[in-house]
Amino acid sequence: EVQLLESGGELVQPGGSLRLSCAVSGFTLSSSVMGWVRQAPGKGLEWVSSIRARDNSAFYADSVKGRFTISTDNSKNTLYLQMNGLRAEDTAVYYCAKGGHDYNPFEYWGRGTLVTVSS
Amino acid sequence: EIVMTQSPATLSVSPGERATLSCRASQSVNSRLAWYQQKSGQSPRLLIYGASTRATGIPARFSGSGSGTEFTLTISSLQSEDFAVYYCQQYNSWPLTFGGGTKVEIK
Repeated sequence: EVQLLESGGELVQPGGSLRLSCAVSGFTLSSSVMGWVRQAPGKGLEWVSSIRARDNSAFYADSVKGRFTISTDNSKNTLYLQMNGLRAEDTAVYYCAKGGHDYNPFEYWGRGTLVTVSS
Repeated sequence: EIVMTQSPATLSVSPGERATLSCRASQSVNSRLAWYQQKSGQSPRLLIYGASTRATGIPARFSGSGSGTEFTLTISSLQSEDFAVYYCQQYNSWPLTFGGGTKVEIK
């Protein structure tokens, strides 16, 4: 059974940093493509970033480019999102999802982790 | 960037009736179009990919059609568990983009 479990979301001040983690099971991360999708309170879905785990080919939304970094630790079966220079508009539930690269839809989703950027 | 436009924003339907949701892309996405269902307080769930292929475990009352720039999600006979928000998403080119969603509510 495929499972995705996000963690790391919390309240952080503007300009601060946070690292989100997504522990995966039920499939081999090193041969997969993964992504992060966020949802601001009461709003729709916004793609953030995607990665192909075998060669770290990664893409980012313009809204986070240069501030966020996606990565994997295949030995730990974990996907990460390093978030720097956080802004109020980054406040959202962040979902980890399997897919989102190499012409794949997001087939499986985690439950999400809430990031709140506020002073 | 490919802009995905969904209509209507809200659809009021009675249980047992048919619901038709539309999604338009600002340029061709071939058939690389997915539909997701999101119930209140839950994560999105993949319903349809490749514009018309149902994902694993999705009931046959859900069907997708279209190619290029015009797509449709049809729910043939709405069940109580189908009242939710539905999003389309193109995965043909970067950046990946979602539509704004259609909320299907009980009439």
